Amino acid sequence: SQQGEEDPQALSIQEGENATMNCSYKTSINNLQWYRQNSGRGLVHLILIRSNEREKHSGRLRVTLDTSKKSSSLLITASRAADTASYFCATDAVSNFGNEKLTFGTGTRLTIIP
Amino acid sequence: GAGVSQSPRYKVTKRGQDVALRCDPISGHVSLYWYRQALGQGPEFLTYFNYEAQQDKSGLPNDRFSAERPEGSISTLTIQRTEQRDSAMYRCASSSGPHYEQYFGPGTRLTVT
Repeated sequence: SQQGEEDPQALSIQEGENATMNCSYKTSINNLQWYRQNSGRGLVHLILIRSNEREKHSGRLRVTLDTSKKSSSLLITASRAADTASYFCATDAVSNFGNEKLTFGTGTRLTIIP
Repeated sequence: GAGVSQSPRYKVTKRGQDVALRCDPISGHVSLYWYRQALGQGPEFLTYFNYEAQQDKSGLPNDRFSAERPEGSISTLTIQRTEQRDSAMYRCASSSGPHYEQYFGPGTRLTVT
């Protein structure tokens, strides 16, 4: 079953512009993690944000979390051609069984136009 | 340091054969996860271990799938009597503990002909 839903499904912007992707989820979470996947390649971990955090930064990346709205956003500033990839949010849901699995959304396909 | 490694990177097998996929986690990581990813989709959870104990196997599709991690390090995912619908990218991840970052390996692309 899907927990996270990314929006938009696809996004094309000019190099140098900022890109914002959103993720909505359904249940309470321990944390939310963002990943990047280049075409046909591995999943690269970007940022983990915990349920008691509201914002985190890493280089050109900024992630926000609103647990009241069950949503998160990933902002990439000053985009580069190398940022072209699919971006996934993944939730670590609170569970009575202590489960640690991540549930992924379907991803946002980001294309940076040189 | 070295990341998560998986072998083989590509596996083509005939329907009905058994396959074993290997995962070597980041050194010292106690938690190890298996996921399966279809083209154009996000990974889907299969099973996970803390040390050598299999904590949750609720994502394994059926009893042809099994996994083990006997010494709490390397893990093997075994698929018996493979079927064409088993074709997918199988990804392994490891974590330093519960509810921490999960780092993924490069995956094994399985094709069942």
